[in-house]
Amino acid sequence: DIQMTQSPSSLSASVGDRVTITCQASQDISNHLNWYQQKPGQAPKLLIYDASDMETGVPSRFSGSRSGTDFTFTISSLQPEDIATYYCQQYDNLPLTFGGGTKVKIK
Amino acid sequence: QVQLVDSGGGVVQPGRSLRLSCAASGFTFSNYGMHWVRQAPGKGLEWVTLISYDGSNKYYTDSVKGRFTISRDNSKNTVYLQLNSLRAEDTAVYYCAKGRQFCTSAGCYPPSASYPMDVWGQGTTVTVSS
Repeated sequence: DIQMTQSPSSLSASVGDRVTITCQASQDISNHLNWYQQKPGQAPKLLIYDASDMETGVPSRFSGSRSGTDFTFTISSLQPEDIATYYCQQYDNLPLTFGGGTKVKIK
Repeated sequence: QVQLVDSGGGVVQPGRSLRLSCAASGFTFSNYGMHWVRQAPGKGLEWVTLISYDGSNKYYTDSVKGRFTISRDNSKNTVYLQLNSLRAEDTAVYYCAKGRQFCTSAGCYPPSASYPMDVWGQGTTVTVSS
């Protein structure tokens, strides 16, 4: 199975801060990576697909990038409504696997 | 708009069975594969199973093989997950999710057996406890 190592597991930032989350795949997965946002008590929501493409309706402050097997998710200016846990997921091979999640909190 | 409504969860004793349902609307259900993903209390997301658009292919994570069965009824726009021989570690919120792959009899795009999910149901809670 492909392991997805996501970091940090949690972070605290101020409104307006730039926030960065990373995910490293245990092997080459091309650009087959999604980023999801999960707010407390809600289902996950797809934000970024194919490593860097934004899902329709997602605010432009969210972005993703890839460098080899390393993937980065960025919130350019943190907003109060961005409080959530963020997950990366690879879909290069079955079983689909998720990173451990990053809980984003407001400082 | 695309909507998935999960149901069928509940409290069940170890070793017993449960059937989850996911009713879909807002898209042509028979053109899309469907996933189930679960989340144990306070934990991360775990992919469980996938069924192809026509039900001909099914894939499972190792921990549920031989115990869980995914199926679908395209005439009812519904996907099911039969959970047998339940264990305490199966306690979780179960989400169905629409696959991000469009298929017809002519083929699928993208043409891969492995594809992610885009829209998720609200989840249904399964608690396995004596």
